[in-house]
Amino acid sequence: DTGVSQDPRHKITKRGQNVTFRCDPISEHNRLYWYRQTLGQGPEFLTYFQNEAQLEKSRLLSDRFSAERPKGSFSTLEIQRTEQGDSAMYLCASSSNGRFEAFFGQGTRLTVV
Amino acid sequence: KQEVTQIPAALSVPEGENLVLNCSFTDSAIYNLQWFRQDPGKGLTSLLLIQSSQREQTSGRLNASLDKSSGRSTLYIAASQPGDSATYLCAVNPNAGKSTFGDGTTLTVKP
Repeated sequence: DTGVSQDPRHKITKRGQNVTFRCDPISEHNRLYWYRQTLGQGPEFLTYFQNEAQLEKSRLLSDRFSAERPKGSFSTLEIQRTEQGDSAMYLCASSSNGRFEAFFGQGTRLTVV
Repeated sequence: KQEVTQIPAALSVPEGENLVLNCSFTDSAIYNLQWFRQDPGKGLTSLLLIQSSQREQTSGRLNASLDKSSGRSTLYIAASQPGDSATYLCAVNPNAGKSTFGDGTTLTVKP
């Protein structure tokens, strides 16, 4: 399967713990995006990368959130000191330069208890 | 700030009916607009992408149109089927970077 892959699919964590999610984009795509989606809402932009460079971060991305994309391949999103309000679906997407058609992974469902 | 609105929030139709989903946006300076389908608890599946220079795109029973001057896009679904039941999202990409999404229209097609 050459689509966008996210791991894990589901994560339950206790408040205050740190969590890390991984995204593997489509191999030839150099842009990678992170979004967050809560029930009944559309996805909200968090951050995106062009190769290894993080080009934009949303104000939603507080200092507890950090994203990396070493070597311009896979990306990780870490949330430190999780709060109940962090419970959401975290979606990753990738696109190629030129067409910029976004392809999404299946998401990681985070539940903070 | 770009705002994207999708109306109605929910729609229920009998099988076989043709239907139109609406998406409006406030800033007409867009790079492209993309329609997605989302099944419950799943990720987004790309349906159609319309570049800013295009007026419409077609794929099978789906047709999407774009009118930048009025800030509107429509997704037309012909001969709806129960398998079309899902949430449909539109996303506006202003500069080939991040996209702004509407909150979606949840479609139910009754057999």
